[in-house]
Amino acid sequence: QKEVEQDPGPLSVPEGAIVSLNCTYSNSAFQYFMWYRQYSRKGPELLMYTYSSGNKEDGRFTAQVDKSSKYISLFIRDSQPSDSATYLCAMNTGNQFYFGTGTSLTVIP
Amino acid sequence: GAGVSQTPSNKVTEKGKYVELRCDPISGHTALYWYRQSLGQGPEFLIYFQGTGAADDSGLPNDRFFAVRPEGSVSTLKIQRTERGDSAVYLCASSLGPQGLNEQFFGPGTRLTVL
Repeated sequence: QKEVEQDPGPLSVPEGAIVSLNCTYSNSAFQYFMWYRQYSRKGPELLMYTYSSGNKEDGRFTAQVDKSSKYISLFIRDSQPSDSATYLCAMNTGNQFYFGTGTSLTVIP
Repeated sequence: GAGVSQTPSNKVTEKGKYVELRCDPISGHTALYWYRQSLGQGPEFLIYFQGTGAADDSGLPNDRFFAVRPEGSVSTLKIQRTERGDSAVYLCASSLGPQGLNEQFFGPGTRLTVL
């Protein structure tokens, strides 16, 4: 079993839709929970991170962590064509970071 | 300011050859990470440097892989006797330091193809 599981999609939504991206994990020692965005042929860039269970909001993005269920989510409101990318969840224990496979998102104008 | 840079951007080599991949981190970043990303997969941790020393090399798949960071800045990932299965994008990331969660800034990667 992988440390982090993520549905690879692809996911295709119309502009303005709410997008929900999810990951599950197995290691209860994970400390930080992160979401990265990766455009084609680029390195990942950090979108948001959370440390504890609960919600964290940043503009159109909301990150949610449920440690009891070992489940994290990223919600994107009012999705835009520029949000089209691959979204990777990631978690760490110390300096080892574990990434999901990434979900490919396309927002259609 | 300058981000993380990696050279070359693409490398094509033949099975059995030796390759070196270079990473220039952001100036002042003491932590440096190497990852491997295969097609359709997320980055897979290889090695972490804090300063000049490899603080964690548990992700290196075998002894054909080796990385150095002699002066605590530029790092080189070295792969001996390359195999077709080594084909992937090799990503480098740097961060300010090891405490808490310091954001990792990724380079664009080196796309390695082993024929």
